[in-house]
Amino acid sequence: DAGVTQSPTHLIKTRGQQVTLRCSPKSGHDTVSWYQQALGQGPQFIFQYYEEEERQRGNFPDRFSGHQFPNYSSELNVNALLLGDSALYLCASSLGFGLDYEQYFGPGTRLTVT
Amino acid sequence: KNQVEQSPQSLIILEGKNCTLQCNYTVSPFSNLRWYKQDTGRGPVSLTIMTFSENTKSNGRYTATLDADTKQSSLHITASQLSDSASYICVVSGAPGTYKYIFGTGTRLKVLA
Repeated sequence: DAGVTQSPTHLIKTRGQQVTLRCSPKSGHDTVSWYQQALGQGPQFIFQYYEEEERQRGNFPDRFSGHQFPNYSSELNVNALLLGDSALYLCASSLGFGLDYEQYFGPGTRLTVT
Repeated sequence: KNQVEQSPQSLIILEGKNCTLQCNYTVSPFSNLRWYKQDTGRGPVSLTIMTFSENTKSNGRYTATLDADTKQSSLHITASQLSDSASYICVVSGAPGTYKYIFGTGTRLKVLA
């Protein structure tokens, strides 16, 4: 049973560019959440998708957008990249939308903006 | 402001020793508290989860305690191993019906042989 997978593992982009990160949830999970983790910090919640809709959003600008597909996989898009967007981007999946469901995290995508 | 604060920021111990990590939170209303272990460059892995009605939860050599009155939690690691070297993150969930995970900044634990 595959856990949460993310691609790519590492990514280097230039300021102003756009990036798309991908996440496949754990088998049977229908909810995907995205987090940004700066070096030495705890993860910060970006948004959560359930039934192909954004259900909750953290304090991130509109440059951060996402999508969930019918197979529950998800994408995180970041436009007009800034140096401060350099971070580990984590995807987490759960069975069901809500707080009582255990979240399983992927290994993350390390984004470096130069 | 909802906050989760962890201490110490970093900790170095010898293999075989015990240690205790602390988590204080101001999140209210409170739903549950989780402890995660995160290896460098990897995603967090859940160790324990406690609701406000639980005051202790064990997972092998890891034991978490919760005092919902004082809004404090601790994670005790017994007989530490080299593989325990990681960051340990406390995560507090807000009110039911909302989706709010507040992450602490973590405690970096280094276990030396």
